[in-house]
Amino acid sequence: AQSVTQLGSHVSVSEGALVLLRCNYSSSVPPYLFWYVQYPNQGLQLLLKYTSAATLVKGINGFEAEFKKSETSFHLTKPSAHMSDAAEYFCAVSANYGNNRLAFGKGNQVVVIP
Amino acid sequence: GAVVSQHPSRVICKSGTSVKIECRSLDFQATTMFWYRQFPKQSLMLMATSNEGSKATYEQGVEKDKFLINHASLTLSTLTVTSAHPEDSSFYICSAIDRTGNSPLHFGNGTRLTVT
Repeated sequence: AQSVTQLGSHVSVSEGALVLLRCNYSSSVPPYLFWYVQYPNQGLQLLLKYTSAATLVKGINGFEAEFKKSETSFHLTKPSAHMSDAAEYFCAVSANYGNNRLAFGKGNQVVVIP
Repeated sequence: GAVVSQHPSRVICKSGTSVKIECRSLDFQATTMFWYRQFPKQSLMLMATSNEGSKATYEQGVEKDKFLINHASLTLSTLTVTSAHPEDSSFYICSAIDRTGNSPLHFGNGTRLTVT
């Protein structure tokens, strides 16, 4: 079974500052990892994904994440926060790329302070 | 890119009535669609997996007689909340995967259900 842990439900960051959202996973098989963003009353939009290729993954909107097997982590970062980054972010894991049975973390609500 | 359309985006209904939510894949064929439920400030919980032409597979604890799922075609799945009660009020999100199964999920924009 797969699971992810996201600590800290709310994350406040100043505009222009580094955004760092932590995700640790547990998986009995090599994992596929995803970060999704959700804006209010909307579905989820894929930010980026790790599928056993490059460990540093670049996504949309300037986000990137690094897969670290030794730390079982897949933290999401963005060098400079923008007001439009205010949203809910979910980390998810699955057993394979096409596996729809994603296990989601509890999410991080990002608040950007002007 | 692949688009999943979910309708309606918001619905308010009275207790005891039924509500149908549609999920359509607009530019690809989705052999499998998924229904999630999201409570305020919480993550998505998978309710059921919907396969075209067969019965849906429900997650443990989800009442299949209350949440009826039909996947009649490769582009449409419906979720019907029967005899809705206020505790069914939630945000329901569908997602779909294409026939190859070799792509990430595409999510609909969700349906906000309020039962009064």
